Amino acid sequence: EIVLTQSPTTIAASPGEKVTITCRASSSVSYMYWYQQKPGASPKPWIYDTSKLASGVPNRFSGSGSGTSYSLTINTMETEDAATYYCQQWSSTPPTFGGGTKLELK
Amino acid sequence: EVQLVESGGGLVQPGRSLKLSCAASGFTFSNYGMAWVRQTPTKGLEWVASISTGGGNTYYRDSVKGRFTISRDNAKNTQYLQMDSLRSEDTATYYCASFTSGYRRYFDYWGQGVMVTVSS
Repeated sequence: EIVLTQSPTTIAASPGEKVTITCRASSSVSYMYWYQQKPGASPKPWIYDTSKLASGVPNRFSGSGSGTSYSLTINTMETEDAATYYCQQWSSTPPTFGGGTKLELK
Repeated sequence: EVQLVESGGGLVQPGRSLKLSCAASGFTFSNYGMAWVRQTPTKGLEWVASISTGGGNTYYRDSVKGRFTISRDNAKNTQYLQMDSLRSEDTATYYCASFTSGYRRYFDYWGQGVMVTVSS
């Protein structure tokens, strides 16, 4: 099973600040996927195929990476971006998720 | 609009059974692979099981193999998760999700989730 390790676990950012969340895989994966989850809601697809934004996702978000290292970046933090973000791989079964990064507003 | 609506959750004693259902609408259900994903505060998100479009192929995480059974009824646009021999560690919010086809797979639609609590 491929283990995904996210860092940091928690991060606080001010509006306008740049934020980067990292996801490291225990083995190489072909693509990484990211979800956003807010309290009381189900996860929403946020970035797919490593770098493509899901429908409705603002273009201040971007994704990049390859092999065992991937990242999600917010160019300029906005209030509505406060949430928990999870990475996910399905290059091999079972599909696995990272432990999540909680992004808080400073 | 795509909708996935789970039902069947609740409080159950260890060793007993529970069956979750997920009613789908707003898309051609029979064209999509389906899955169950669960979430706890301590373990986070965990894939539980998945089923192919026609139902002929099923996959399970190791910890539920032999205890859980995923199935689907394409005529009713519904998938199910039969959970037997439940354990306290199965306590979680269970999400129904569809996933994309091919080798670039991810969970593209999610239900609102249903709580399962295993406790005496």
